Amino acid sequence: SQQGEEDPQALSIQEGENATMNCSYKTSINNLQWYRQNSGRGLVHLILIRSNEREKHSGRLRVTLDTSKKSSSLLITASRAADTASYFCATELSYGQNFVFGPGTRLSVLP
Amino acid sequence: SQTIHQWPATLVQPVGSPLSLECTVEGTSNPNLYWYRQAAGRGLQLLFYSVGIGQISSEVPQNLSASRPQDRQFILSSKKLLLSDSGFYLCAQSSGMNTGELFFGEGSRLTVL
Repeated sequence: SQQGEEDPQALSIQEGENATMNCSYKTSINNLQWYRQNSGRGLVHLILIRSNEREKHSGRLRVTLDTSKKSSSLLITASRAADTASYFCATELSYGQNFVFGPGTRLSVLP
Repeated sequence: SQTIHQWPATLVQPVGSPLSLECTVEGTSNPNLYWYRQAAGRGLQLLFYSVGIGQISSEVPQNLSASRPQDRQFILSSKKLLLSDSGFYLCAQSSGMNTGELFFGEGSRLTVL
């Protein structure tokens, strides 16, 4: 079974709306990260939140982490058509050696 | 800044043929290197990671192997491809210094027929 699982699997919204994606994991982590992947391309790192942090912001991105519930959420505010992509959460189990990815959320932002 | 080159970008191979995918990294030294495979519309499966030359850890037993002949070179190989080896192969690197961020190449799409 997956260490990290995103929810929902797919999300379709209108431009300007907010998009929220969730990630649940099973074991203790050092940090949790979110990545973005455009179709057929490599992944791009978006944001990292450490296990002792609860919330982090980067531009239109807001990430929360609840270690008691072993869950995280990624909020994209004021979405744009260019935000259309797949979004993955990844957990780092031991420093620098093992990153485990969830199956991803496919976000479609309609103009 | 780090740059990761992967080639070939696209590959179509018959079942039973050999495979060699190459990954080279620029702009960093002594990186941790990773090979991931992504099935269509799915998440990433870690195949191998390496913390140094000649040091390879395998996460999934299969007919693939990896080698790291140089600090910034990571090679994924197979002697005989299976249909199930089809997928999108991604090379990634991290500094291994608690920065926690992976940098990915643009991937190699393998189709086994």
